[in-house]
Amino acid sequence: GQQVMQIPQYQHVQEGEDFTTYCNSSTTLSNIQWYKQRPGGHPVFLIQLVKSGEVKKQKRLTFQFGEAKKNSSLHITATQTTDVGTYFCAGGAGGTSYGKLTFGQGTILTVHP
Amino acid sequence: NAGVTQTPKFRVLKTGQSMTLLCAQDMNHEYMYWYRQDPGMGLRLIHYSVGEGTTAKGEVPDGYNVSRLKKQNFLLGLESAAPSQTSVYFCASTWGGKLTEAFFGQGTRLTVV
Repeated sequence: GQQVMQIPQYQHVQEGEDFTTYCNSSTTLSNIQWYKQRPGGHPVFLIQLVKSGEVKKQKRLTFQFGEAKKNSSLHITATQTTDVGTYFCAGGAGGTSYGKLTFGQGTILTVHP
Repeated sequence: NAGVTQTPKFRVLKTGQSMTLLCAQDMNHEYMYWYRQDPGMGLRLIHYSVGEGTTAKGEVPDGYNVSRLKKQNFLLGLESAAPSQTSVYFCASTWGGKLTEAFFGQGTRLTVV
């Protein structure tokens, strides 16, 4: 079945440093979504990418979807303590699995003030 | 708007006991999902539903059953709980399947002793 691998599992940064998490799929994706989960909370939708090579920005966050639609990344510029949490990517496959997303393992981000 | 509501929020079960987790959404979403979250494993799909009266297996369905008798409710049952089912369970719903934003409930922390 489809697998979505996410690295790194953990990332510790000093406030103000940049952060990147990477997501790789074993199969071509129809779309990819990114979610953030604060400690003790539930996942919250950040963004969706659909087109090959797509780049989207949300303030200090930059999301990319690879040309082959098999990988994606989330980059945070100048991290803040409010960025703490777990970031998940979730890939959608084609075919009969139109209703499903496969989540990566998540990257736990810690920001030291 | 309540969004997605899960009941209960916490539960401790003894091995072999049964229980039902309730998920209710008030957004008139067609698609509903049950995930489990374990450290280092991300969110793994247990079962999902693409509409009232339908259910389908996800990645880790063994030991669980589900029902979607009403569009707004999605029930997850554990017939005979095992310690391996100790986890945090999240329900989610979407309007249009994999291509639309998923809204998550607050989660249910289940411990099986």
